[in-house]
Amino acid sequence: NAGVMQNPRHLVRRRGQEARLRCSPMKGHSHVYWYRQLPEEGLKFMVYLQKENIIDESGMPKERFSAEFPKEGPSILRIQQVVRGDSAAYFCASSPVTSGSMYTQYFGPGTRLTVL
Amino acid sequence: EDKVVQSPLSLVVHEGDTVTLNCSYEVTNFRSLLWYKQEKKAPTFLFMLTSSGIEKKSGRLSSILDKKELFSILNITATQTGDSAVYLCAVGQASNTGKLIFGQGTTLQVKP
Repeated sequence: NAGVMQNPRHLVRRRGQEARLRCSPMKGHSHVYWYRQLPEEGLKFMVYLQKENIIDESGMPKERFSAEFPKEGPSILRIQQVVRGDSAAYFCASSPVTSGSMYTQYFGPGTRLTVL
Repeated sequence: EDKVVQSPLSLVVHEGDTVTLNCSYEVTNFRSLLWYKQEKKAPTFLFMLTSSGIEKKSGRLSSILDKKELFSILNITATQTGDSAVYLCAVGQASNTGKLIFGQGTTLQVKP
């Protein structure tokens, strides 16, 4: 039973380019969460999605960042016109449908984004 | 502002020692507290606590929650070098957001 998968594991972009990060949740999970971990800091919530719906994007910067979780395929976190401050580890987590286990989130290995 | 604070920030022990990691929180609409272990990869789920005073145990690891004093502890007995990691505490709120609020983590190093 594969866990949460993220790709790429490492991504290098120059300032001004776009970054696309992908997340495939665990089998049977329909809730996806994205977190960002800056150097020497804890994980910060960015966005929570269900299939085709953004439920909570209160942690997402208002500009340049967007997320989607289409009916088919992985969830995508997209960062346009990256800046050096976007360099961080981006983690995706997923959880099952039932609300009772809503907060048992299982994490992927992360994508480490470096902006040159 | 909702916050989760872990202490100590870092800890160095020798194999066989027992360690206690602390997590205190000030979060509105508390629902659950979770512990994760993070090595150089995905945070790995350890425990989820929702009720005060009930100890959860898994091998050499155990954890308990005090909802009156707003804290939790994670105990590791007979530590091994493989326990070296960052231990993360997170709090979930009773809302539909699913958002977890994380502490900054405790870095544990176990020396042989």
